[in-house]
Amino acid sequence: EDKVVQSPLSLVVHEGDTVTLNCSYEVTNFRSLLWYKQEKKAPTFLFMLTSSGIEKKSGRLSSILDKKELFSILNITATQTGDSAVYLCAVVDSNYQLIWGAGTKLIIKP
Amino acid sequence: NAGVTQTPKFQVLKTGQSMTLQCAQDMNHEYMSWYRQDPGMGLRLIHYSVGAGITDQGEVPNGYNVSRSTTEDFPLRLLSAAPSQTSVYFCASSYASGAYEQYFGPGTRLTVT
Repeated sequence: EDKVVQSPLSLVVHEGDTVTLNCSYEVTNFRSLLWYKQEKKAPTFLFMLTSSGIEKKSGRLSSILDKKELFSILNITATQTGDSAVYLCAVVDSNYQLIWGAGTKLIIKP
Repeated sequence: NAGVTQTPKFQVLKTGQSMTLQCAQDMNHEYMSWYRQDPGMGLRLIHYSVGAGITDQGEVPNGYNVSRSTTEDFPLRLLSAAPSQTSVYFCASSYASGAYEQYFGPGTRLTVT
């Protein structure tokens, strides 16, 4: 059965720290991996990764995919309280459907 | 450009009642989907549609029906509500499939007593 596992489930850090969130997957016929940020309401798109070793970057956030070891990481540097959210990872399968991880709840303390 | 809209925001139902959750998008997206989100379980796909007149089941379709008569609208019907359907429901749309960036509606929090 296809699955996506995120770790840790929750994380509390102080403002200014750097965090690394993990997403591992076992999905038949992997097509791509997506990261979303979910604050109070709907998830919003962060990155889509399709190729190994190519870092995607947006401001203080970056992400990379390892298709050999079947995982991705999401890095956030110099964290701010506005980064507090649930970060969701999803993998696109052979039917172009998304398989979602349970999310990592990140809390940034001032 | 409103994006994806959902109504209602909150709903309380009694077991056995039926209702329809509304979803509309104004981005001319072909692909629309319904998810439910439960604590600790991530998002689970209920039904999806790749275009007007075409729908298909996702991971957890039992107890739900959908139709797609227009590109813009994708309502989700609960046939006979059960407490296990208490959840937050999100509608999403994208350009062509799940492989593209999904735009989510604000969600509907449903409680079934």
